[in-house]
Amino acid sequence: DQQVKQNSPSLSVQEGRISILNCDYTNSMFDYFLWYKKYPAEGPTFLISISSIKDKNEDGRFTVFLNKSAKHLSLHIVPSQPGDSAVYFCAATDSNYQLIWGAGTKLIIKP
Amino acid sequence: NAGVMQNPRHLVRRRGQEARLRCSPMKGHSHVYWYRQLPEEGLKFMVYLQKENIIDESGMPKERFSAEFPKEGPSILRIQQVVRGDSAAYFCASSPEGTSPGANVLTFGAGSRLTVL
Repeated sequence: DQQVKQNSPSLSVQEGRISILNCDYTNSMFDYFLWYKKYPAEGPTFLISISSIKDKNEDGRFTVFLNKSAKHLSLHIVPSQPGDSAVYFCAATDSNYQLIWGAGTKLIIKP
Repeated sequence: NAGVMQNPRHLVRRRGQEARLRCSPMKGHSHVYWYRQLPEEGLKFMVYLQKENIIDESGMPKERFSAEFPKEGPSILRIQQVVRGDSAAYFCASSPEGTSPGANVLTFGAGSRLTVL
């Protein structure tokens, strides 16, 4: 039972354009959502998060949007840069210590 | 480097052998978490430990897997009698004492990649 789904295994975006990564979840008890970024041969690093009481959180080029009614969140990166090429994981928690992870989306930024 | 240190980075074992993966948490962190990532999948929670205590091992397979975090030394994830299906990347994360560990305070190590021949 996949509680957190990232349906796009990969995404290719032109440098300078907007990258939009999507994530769907099924558990309405989740109250905190996180995005992690992972380069090859490295561990995931925290990128940005959002509480379920908000619908938007912005940090520089990164913005996360949460649509609770649709159980959907998205990460927007604008403008996209070559260094953004990585695997992006969506994760969720119900204030427990267990993060439930999506399978990841590989983002490729084309020059 | 005060980050989360995992070793070995790569480990090759034959079926039936034992694998030991080590994790030294970030300085000042007393909570350790182990996650496993199978190919083409996201990370899956395995176990949460504090010093000398297993807090939650609900994600650990019932057999062959064990974890410890002794008073002195690193946390160890031990897999006995490995099988091919154990081949995966094993990530350790740590967080400070007294924090909500589900939030953005987890610091991950670079992972240990286990290959079972």
